[in-house]
Amino acid sequence: KQEVTQIPAALSVPEGENLVLNCSFTDSAIYNLQWFRQDPGKGLTSLLLIQSSQREQTSGRLNASLDKSSGRSTLYIAASQPGDSATYLCAVTAFGNEKLTFGTGTRLTIIP
Amino acid sequence: DAGITQSPRHKVTETGTPVTLRCHQTENHRYMYWYRQDPGHGLRLIHYSYGVKDTDKGEVSDGYSVSRSKTEDFLLTLESATSSQTSVYFCAISESGLGGTAYFGPGTRLTVT
Repeated sequence: KQEVTQIPAALSVPEGENLVLNCSFTDSAIYNLQWFRQDPGKGLTSLLLIQSSQREQTSGRLNASLDKSSGRSTLYIAASQPGDSATYLCAVTAFGNEKLTFGTGTRLTIIP
Repeated sequence: DAGITQSPRHKVTETGTPVTLRCHQTENHRYMYWYRQDPGHGLRLIHYSYGVKDTDKGEVSDGYSVSRSKTEDFLLTLESATSSQTSVYFCAISESGLGGTAYFGPGTRLTVT
C-alpha cells in the first residue's frame, strides 16, 4: 500500500527566505506526483504536476523536483511572502491506479 | 478556476439520517472523486467515477454510496449517518485519471450529531 509522508507537519520562516518542503512515498512505481496548496477553510489548488519521466517542474517562484528511485519530492519556494502561508500537500498516482494518495501536509507560516 | 461546485456547503444532521452531497462540474471531465479530510488522516478517497454509471470504491467506502447519471453530477450518499462521518468532504475532477491535474471543489462541512 502506498504511503505518503510529509515532514515537518508545520514550518515557520521569516518573509524573504527560500524554503524547501519535503514529500516521501513508499512505492516508487508512480505515474505522477502533484503538489497542492490549501488555504484554511478552502479546497485544494493544484500548484505543480510532475510526470514520472520528469525530474522537475517550475512555476514562478515554485520549483518541484522528483526522485523516483529514492521515493522523494521537494517543493522549493523562493523569496517567501506572507501570502504563501497555507498548508501544502503532495499526492501521488500509482501505475494502474487512477487515484491520488495524499500526504498529511505541511502547514507553512511566513512571518512578516 | 475549474468549474466545480458542491452543495450544500455546510450541513448538520442527526445520527441515523440519510444525507446526500452533490458535486457539479462544468468542465466535462471524465473522472470525478469524493474525498474526506480529517485531522491526522489527510485526504482519503471514498469513491470515484471514471464515467457515467461507472464507479469504484476507494479506501474508506463503508457507509457511503455514489451515483453518476450525468457527466456533470456526482452524488455521495451517507446511507445512515454516524458521528464518525463528521468531516469535510471534497469533490475533485480530472480529465485523465492517470495523467491529469486534479481540480478540487470548495468542500462540504458535515456535522453528524
